[in-house]
Amino acid sequence: DGGITQSPKYLFRKEGQNVTLSCEQNLNHDAMYWYRQDPGQGLRLIYYSQIVNDFQKGDIAEGYSVSREKKESFPLTVTSAQKNPTAFYLCASSIVSRATFNQPQHFGDGTRLSIL
Amino acid sequence: SQQGEEDPQALSIQEGENATMNCSYKTSINNLQWYRQNSGRGLVHLILIRSNEREKHSGRLRVTLDTSKKSSSLLITASRAADTASYFCATGIKAAGNKLTFGGGTRVLVKP
Repeated sequence: DGGITQSPKYLFRKEGQNVTLSCEQNLNHDAMYWYRQDPGQGLRLIYYSQIVNDFQKGDIAEGYSVSREKKESFPLTVTSAQKNPTAFYLCASSIVSRATFNQPQHFGDGTRLSIL
Repeated sequence: SQQGEEDPQALSIQEGENATMNCSYKTSINNLQWYRQNSGRGLVHLILIRSNEREKHSGRLRVTLDTSKKSSSLLITASRAADTASYFCATGIKAAGNKLTFGGGTRVLVKP
């Protein structure tokens, strides 16, 4: 079955440590996205990528970094510069159509990051 | 500020009743989408309505869009306990490419 896999499901970070969240998709989608969700809140866009080797900052990119070396993979690194990283992180993907913008997004089941 | 804002923030109903939630937005949109999120899980796409459409149905879901009022509503008819979830609207704007902007969500509890 096609889908998006996020790992790990739970992650703990020590002070001053960088951690990397994995996101893999086998839907053959060109676009991938990272969102942050705080308790009882909506989603805020961290980074997105519409094509391999290219990505753009979203609304809250500070303290995060990404790479897009393969179409299937879009890992997110939460750096020590992110002072409040405790949140639920969601990865999504979508097709890219020149004729139709804003395609539906398919989501993984998230990674919950906590501070030790 | 967020493009989409849902109302109410929370809703509690009995099984079999209808649930209605609303989404308001600020700027002209290309389309508006509704998603469901079960506790601790990712979002699932429910329905997309384009700016030139006024109403759309999918099973027990009915979505309306009023571009003059910059608002949309999601109606779930004959609700079931399994409909308990958070529901989010997301707006797409052509100038933003493929990005979506999500609202804060409506938490729906369907009591058996």
